[in-house]
Amino acid sequence: KAGVTQTPRYLIKTRGQQVTLSCSPISGHRSVSWYQQTPGQGLQFLFEYFSETQRNKGNFPGRFSGRQFSNSRSEMNVSTLELGDSALYLCASSWTDSQTEAFFGQGTRLTVV
Amino acid sequence: QQQVKQSPQSLIVQKGGISIINCAYENTAFDYFPWYQQFPGKGPALLIAIRPDVSEKKEGRFTISFNKSAKQFSLHIMDSQPGDSATYFCAATVRGAGNMLTFGGGTRLMVKP
Repeated sequence: KAGVTQTPRYLIKTRGQQVTLSCSPISGHRSVSWYQQTPGQGLQFLFEYFSETQRNKGNFPGRFSGRQFSNSRSEMNVSTLELGDSALYLCASSWTDSQTEAFFGQGTRLTVV
Repeated sequence: QQQVKQSPQSLIVQKGGISIINCAYENTAFDYFPWYQQFPGKGPALLIAIRPDVSEKKEGRFTISFNKSAKQFSLHIMDSQPGDSATYFCAATVRGAGNMLTFGGGTRLMVKP
């Protein structure tokens, strides 16, 4: 059974640009969550999607957005990149939307220069 | 506001020893407490989880102890092995709030041979 796939694995972007990250969940999983991991702030929840609807949103500015497609694949977008957006972005998929085990991908390492 | 506080930040244990990581939470609406293990370059992976209706859960060498009145829970790794060297995160979710995980700050464990 394939795991959670995140693409690309690494990205280097310039301040002010925008970026789109992709996440393919485990087959059959309908919930996808996104997290930002940094040395200073640790793991912080960005948002969760279930059946194409945003279920929860963390405390991040509106520059961070996401969406989920009918096949449960998800994308997150960050506009007007800032240096502080440099982080590991992790996607997690779960079977349902109710406290079920979350399976994480390997993440996308975003560097903003 | 850090809702889940984790300690220590780092831990060095001899092979065969017991590793103990502690977490404390503030939000009494939390009712699912998973622990995640993360190796460098990988996403977090679920290790073991507990709900507040039990005081202890054991899976192999890993045990969670839960104290609801004190709002604290801990991970014990018995017979620690060098392969256990990783970063460990405690987390919590709220019933009815989907799969949104609130993470502790993490503990970097090193098991010396």
